[in-house]
Amino acid sequence: EAGVTQFPSHSVIEKGQTVTLRCDPISGHDNLYWYRRVMGKEIKFLLHFVKESKQDESGMPNNRFLAERTGGTYSTLKVQPAELEDSGVYFCASSRYMSSYNEQFFGPGTRLTVL
Amino acid sequence: TQLLEQSPQFLSIQEGENLTVYCNSSSVFSSLQWYRQEPGEGPVLLVTVVTGGEVKKLKRLTFQFGDARKDSSLHITAAQTGDTGLYLCAGALVGGGNKLTFGTGTQLKVEL
Repeated sequence: EAGVTQFPSHSVIEKGQTVTLRCDPISGHDNLYWYRRVMGKEIKFLLHFVKESKQDESGMPNNRFLAERTGGTYSTLKVQPAELEDSGVYFCASSRYMSSYNEQFFGPGTRLTVL
Repeated sequence: TQLLEQSPQFLSIQEGENLTVYCNSSSVFSSLQWYRQEPGEGPVLLVTVVTGGEVKKLKRLTFQFGDARKDSSLHITAAQTGDTGLYLCAGALVGGGNKLTFGTGTQLKVEL
């Protein structure tokens, strides 16, 4: 089965611009997660979807970040307007619903650079 | 404050040596995963442990979950150059839902 895919792999934008990241989870995975790693720091949780519903968005840094998962399939993460501190690698992960092992499978990430 | 402390941060060894990476916390986890990450790629899941005291083996890799589910270790026997990479532990806190808390990682380099 195909793994988690993310698009684009890299994005370079200027401060104040808008960027939209996309994640396609593994087929059949109802749980979808967004994480990010900023320079020199550990990977941190942003939010969790169960199907199309936001289960936990406690990690979203501020209201410049908007995540959607219409139809419960792919998800987008929009940053508007982007700031310098938003630079980092954004990872998407997915897992089966009600998995006691909570095994999350990660995509390759989108490297975002804000100039 | 770092919830999951990983040590060592860097490790450079010769092929054939053994090594252990530690992941420690004062918090209790309902599950803990070990991932390996290569440059430019996402973390790849190696193993999940959920029971205190659990030991899992994956070829030359042995993973252990602490009895109190607060810590874990990864032991590699007879390391090979192909084991080079960034090793990450990540866990779901009890009562914290599914979100993973990640350790800072251990960068392993295995040389001939």
